[in-house]
Amino acid sequence: GAVVSQHPSRVICKSGTSVKIECRSLDFQATTMFWYRQFPKQSLMLMATSNEGSKATYEQGVEKDKFLINHASLTLSTLTVTSAHPEDSSFYICSARVSIRGSDAEAFFGQGTRLTVV
Amino acid sequence: QKEVEQNSGPLSVPEGAIASLNCTYSDRGSQSFFWYRQYSGKSPELIMFIYSNGDKEDGRFTAQLNKASQYVSLLIRDSQPSDSATYLCAVAYNNDMRFGAGTRLTVKP
Repeated sequence: GAVVSQHPSRVICKSGTSVKIECRSLDFQATTMFWYRQFPKQSLMLMATSNEGSKATYEQGVEKDKFLINHASLTLSTLTVTSAHPEDSSFYICSARVSIRGSDAEAFFGQGTRLTVV
Repeated sequence: QKEVEQNSGPLSVPEGAIASLNCTYSDRGSQSFFWYRQYSGKSPELIMFIYSNGDKEDGRFTAQLNKASQYVSLLIRDSQPSDSATYLCAVAYNNDMRFGAGTRLTVKP
């Protein structure tokens, strides 16, 4: 299957700082990328959907000013957690789909980023 | 609100048995259906996808889709301890893809 690379895999930051997470599709062009958050023993929670070149669509309850998403190219999307707090500590996962195949396209996931805010 | 529902489990089966995982969805316009496996601390990986009503087999895995009843299931034959994981059902319509909460499966040796 296609490869989605997510970086970093782990990050520890101080409360109040910002953290950027990168998601790259290595061997295909991903017109749509998704960002998820997963707390321990809980399910994936969709945070936002981003299409290349346009603003991200955020799920209800997700603060768009806190979780900045940029999808500037067909192979790269970034999630920046601004002014991080301990409650933002979680496992963040991106996924990418080749939207030209429409709904048939499966989603490929990055390896995930475990964020710990101290 | 488009919803994808799964029994959270845990589902426990003995080694060698058939594990049956079920998923229902609310959007009748859904077009594509996917099963992912997620090991603890890892990101999900695709197992199977199905688009048409009926069964689709791939090795020990069989996906079943019934659009009229709005459910999709995954059968795992000859279950192995290595199959122990959380199984996520995903339903897609155009660019939108929604995941269920996942069913935790434990296969006991």
